[in-house]
Amino acid sequence: GAVVSQHPSWVICKSGTSVKIECRSLDFQATTMFWYRQFPKQSLMLMATSNEGSKATYEQGVEKDKFLINHASLTLSTLTVTSAHPEDSSFYICSARDWGRGDYNEQFFGPGTRLTVL
Amino acid sequence: GQNIDQPTEMTATEGAIVQINCTYQTSGFNGLFWYQQHAGEAPTFLSYNVLDGLEEKGRFSSFLSRSKGYSYLLLKELQMKDSASYLCAVGDSNYQLIWGAGTKLIIKP
Repeated sequence: GAVVSQHPSWVICKSGTSVKIECRSLDFQATTMFWYRQFPKQSLMLMATSNEGSKATYEQGVEKDKFLINHASLTLSTLTVTSAHPEDSSFYICSARDWGRGDYNEQFFGPGTRLTVL
Repeated sequence: GQNIDQPTEMTATEGAIVQINCTYQTSGFNGLFWYQQHAGEAPTFLSYNVLDGLEEKGRFSSFLSRSKGYSYLLLKELQMKDSASYLCAVGDSNYQLIWGAGTKLIIKP
């Protein structure tokens, strides 16, 4: 149980275009989802916390108008990278918290989406 | 501020034992997690400690001392497939995960 999927697994796009990444919790309801970015040989960097039915909370330095997050249902959150540029090329990973599984706050990770902006 | 420290890289020999340390300073504490991450893949959960002591799970064990702000991950009978980055993360008072930079573990034959 506690499976999180992401789509697409990888995407290549031209500079200036927008890319949408989907994160789904397949067998549980996730009131909270997290979006991370990871550059090569670096650790995870939390971008934002997404709560179902409310606005996302962005970390300092992350542009909310550039990285649009929508968490419209308990099983789906989307991240849209608007007007992508080569410096946005990275590995984007989502995770979801299942409050129904015991009393600790384990996060279940999706497989990640590798974005390459040409 | 909040801080998680772990070594950047470690090297060990196949079949041996390795201990990866993690020290932390966070605002509040709601458990410490260890994740394994292979290159190009998302992290996978290894262990969770919220009380002091040792948690054993097969070849992997994790230890926590809350008074010292210290944890370690112990890997026994190392296999080549254990070559990966190991991430230490602490849940703070807001139940947010604070991540360490990760320890790259290199296993040599």
